[in-house]
Amino acid sequence: DTGVSQDPRHKITKRGQNVTFRCDPISEHNRLYWYRQTLGQGPEFLTYFQNEAQLEKSRLLSDRFSAERPKGSFSTLEIQRTEQGDSAMYLCASSPRRNTGELFFGEGSRLTVL
Amino acid sequence: SQQGEEDPQALSIQEGENATMNCSYKTSINNLQWYRQNSGRGLVHLILIRSNEREKHSGRLRVTLDTSKKSSSLLITASRAADTASYFCATDAGTGGFKTIFGAGTRLFVKA
Repeated sequence: DTGVSQDPRHKITKRGQNVTFRCDPISEHNRLYWYRQTLGQGPEFLTYFQNEAQLEKSRLLSDRFSAERPKGSFSTLEIQRTEQGDSAMYLCASSPRRNTGELFFGEGSRLTVL
Repeated sequence: SQQGEEDPQALSIQEGENATMNCSYKTSINNLQWYRQNSGRGLVHLILIRSNEREKHSGRLRVTLDTSKKSSSLLITASRAADTASYFCATDAGTGGFKTIFGAGTRLFVKA
């Protein structure tokens, strides 16, 4: 079991550019979560999927943010027209079909918007 | 919005001492979890306590839950320098769904 994998680990971009992050969950995990974490704060919920269905989406997720999980396996989080306020760590987590409540996190993708 | 509020925000202790962190939450829950995060890394699950449980142990960790006060505490006994990290409580918000909401965390520094 390779754990939750996120790519890229670091991304530096200029304001106004689009960025995309990818998350590969633990195989057989049917739920996948995206969180955003800024320095000194806890993770803030963005959205989660059960299989390919996006079941809940935070109001934090503006129209510039979109997440997909087309085949119920990996997921992508795209941010369009990035702003400096988007600078944060974007964390992905997955959880198994049997609901233990436990989330398994990746190492995160750190975004810096200049 | 964050469901849990941890207290204190930061804690500095000597190796060998015990560390206690508290968490308060706002709504009814089905379970409460504690996670650990080393600087710049992802979160690691430590322990889960269900709403019908009052105390749970795992190695040097002891978690208590008081649903009447909507609060939980995490005790790390005989702390080590390697315990230096941020600790977060997380709840399911009792919504019946699978969303997990985290608090702002307690930053623990254990001096060798």
